[in-house]
Amino acid sequence: LAKTTQPISMDSYEGQEVNITCSHNNIATNDYITWYQQFPSQGPRFIIQGYKTKVTNEVASLFIPADRKSSTLSLPRVSLSDTAVYYCLVGDGSNYQLIWGAGTKLIIKP
Amino acid sequence: DGGITQSPKYLFRKEGQNVTLSCEQNLNHDAMYWYRQDPGQGLRLIYYSQIVNDFQKGDIAEGYSVSREKKESFPLTVTSAQKNPTAFYLCASSIQRSGYTFGSGTRLTVV
Repeated sequence: LAKTTQPISMDSYEGQEVNITCSHNNIATNDYITWYQQFPSQGPRFIIQGYKTKVTNEVASLFIPADRKSSTLSLPRVSLSDTAVYYCLVGDGSNYQLIWGAGTKLIIKP
Repeated sequence: DGGITQSPKYLFRKEGQNVTLSCEQNLNHDAMYWYRQDPGQGLRLIYYSQIVNDFQKGDIAEGYSVSREKKESFPLTVTSAQKNPTAFYLCASSIQRSGYTFGSGTRLTVV
């Protein structure tokens, strides 16, 4: 099972772009990279998923270098409501025992 | 709207008492999961089920039990054998590579 490493916490300001990097040195060939967002006392919410290069949706972008040993979640023009914990997971979808780390606590200031 | 419903939102348990947490989904997902989350920590897998009438232990199954009699339902029982049950419990479902869909959670407190 691939383990991920993320910063414990990050601060930024409204309107800024925020990049959160995740290391996954032991990622397997069939593994995908998935990011979730969690607000206090709520379940995590799926943000984005990718396998290589770049993926973009309406809320975020995911950058994955060629060696796939890391990935970067990019949140454009953050607002106070983006304050949350962000989790990075790797897995091939057929393994039901994904490992959840403590995530990155992102605090957005006015 | 499709989703996962967990109930109750808050639950209080007395010492030595069994309690059951409900989880229902209308997403037609085959796989369902129960996770436990302690303050400031990530999620830890208790049990998961890939199909009806089958389930597997996760990393911290001791003191918990589940059933999967219907595709839509995956209740979790916290038994008296679980010595430290106070936590936030999350139910999720998925289809392969689609990512997880989570419920809103149940906060269990021992009184």
